[in-house]
Amino acid sequence: SAVISQKPSRDICQRGTSLTIQCQVDSQVTMMFWYRQQPGQSLTLIATANQGSEATYESGFVIDKFPISRPNLTFSTLTVSNMSPEDSSIYLCSVHDPNTGELFFGEGSRLTVL
Amino acid sequence: AQTVTQSQPEMSVQEAETVTLSCTYDTSESNYYLFWYKQPPSRQMILVIRQEAYKQQNATENRFSVNFQKAAKSFSLKISDSQLGDTAMYFCAFMEDSNYQLIWGAGTKLIIKP
Repeated sequence: SAVISQKPSRDICQRGTSLTIQCQVDSQVTMMFWYRQQPGQSLTLIATANQGSEATYESGFVIDKFPISRPNLTFSTLTVSNMSPEDSSIYLCSVHDPNTGELFFGEGSRLTVL
Repeated sequence: AQTVTQSQPEMSVQEAETVTLSCTYDTSESNYYLFWYKQPPSRQMILVIRQEAYKQQNATENRFSVNFQKAAKSFSLKISDSQLGDTAMYFCAFMEDSNYQLIWGAGTKLIIKP
């Protein structure tokens, strides 16, 4: 199983600022996913990040708002840009294990925008 | 499009009792995976159990078992001898064999009472 570390664990930010969330995996993985979980809700996929290519964004999410980097097979970042209170959520990084089909998750980053 | 439905927003049982969480899904695919994930207050998303659609035998992991009814597109989770540590949100999720994106249910909040 993959061990995933996310930073920061939580943060409180001011409206209009940007925050970058880091995701570090202890093994090389091809596919990484970024999810958003709004309070009391289920998970919504933001984008899929594969190393060496542009991230693929889901409907309702755009690169200008959520730029993603994937510089190598063990690391990715998600930036939440020009934040507003509606961006207050938990953001989760996950990786796919092609051998078992399961997804492993980081601990999540709880973001509060004032 | 695939959908996952969890019809029980919240359930509450006494410690040591057995509880069943329901999940139905809709797909036209024949090969897919089904998962139950647990999210305790710590917000770490933890895999509870997984089922491959091509396997007729129901998956079991210690106190956790599923009742997979492929024709009925039903995938319920049974927790036996429930423990206080089982208190969490439980999410049912679907994944196509060829697409590693998870489709999530809305979740069921499970409370185990002492």
